Amino acid sequence: DAMVIQNPRYQVTQFGKPVTLSCSQTLNHNVMYWYQQKSSQAPKLLFHYYDKDFNNEADTPDNFQSRRPNTSFCFLDIRSPGLGDAAMYLCATSTGTANTEAFFGQGTRLTVV
Amino acid sequence: KQEVTQIPAALSVPEGENLVLNCSFTDSAIYNLQWFRQDPGKGLTSLLLIQSSQREQTSGRLNASLDKSSGRSTLYIAASQPGDSATYLCAVSRRSGGGADGLTFGKGTHLIIQP
Repeated sequence: DAMVIQNPRYQVTQFGKPVTLSCSQTLNHNVMYWYQQKSSQAPKLLFHYYDKDFNNEADTPDNFQSRRPNTSFCFLDIRSPGLGDAAMYLCATSTGTANTEAFFGQGTRLTVV
Repeated sequence: KQEVTQIPAALSVPEGENLVLNCSFTDSAIYNLQWFRQDPGKGLTSLLLIQSSQREQTSGRLNASLDKSSGRSTLYIAASQPGDSATYLCAVSRRSGGGADGLTFGKGTHLIIQP
């Protein structure tokens, strides 16, 4: 009964070719987050949506964008992937209240060739 | 800027031992702290959530404590099993008016339980 679902699990893209990663949730949570995790590093928050309000982290490159067409779905778009963008991308959700628990998907492993 | 540190970075112990993983954070103004488990190539599984007003939480063989004033948390694993082998990540909530601004993570402790 997966609650946060990421597709695909593995994505290979060419250098400079736009790529979109998908996340869906069945929890009806208000907030959806995207994190980037490089090998042996801590997950790093890229941005999040609180309902339709988009919140970008100050150090997230312009190459990364996101869309949330409805409550259930959120997309991560990488406009021109570079070799340095190869990473695990993690989607998470929460209710948005102060003491809420975050629920994560299984991640998408992105390889750039 | 919040920084989260986990010690040790890696740990290998024989099956059956009790063990403690450590997490420290620099800014005590947090809403909560979560411990996660990550298996190789997988996403994060939430283990325990400790709210800022709580001192500890227990789930099965896991016990997590929080000392917010000193910026420390520990994850205690009792009677370790080979299936506990994974990376354990500590994360603190970012405190803001909205309360939903995401988590700041440590790099994790890579745990190996030898059969």
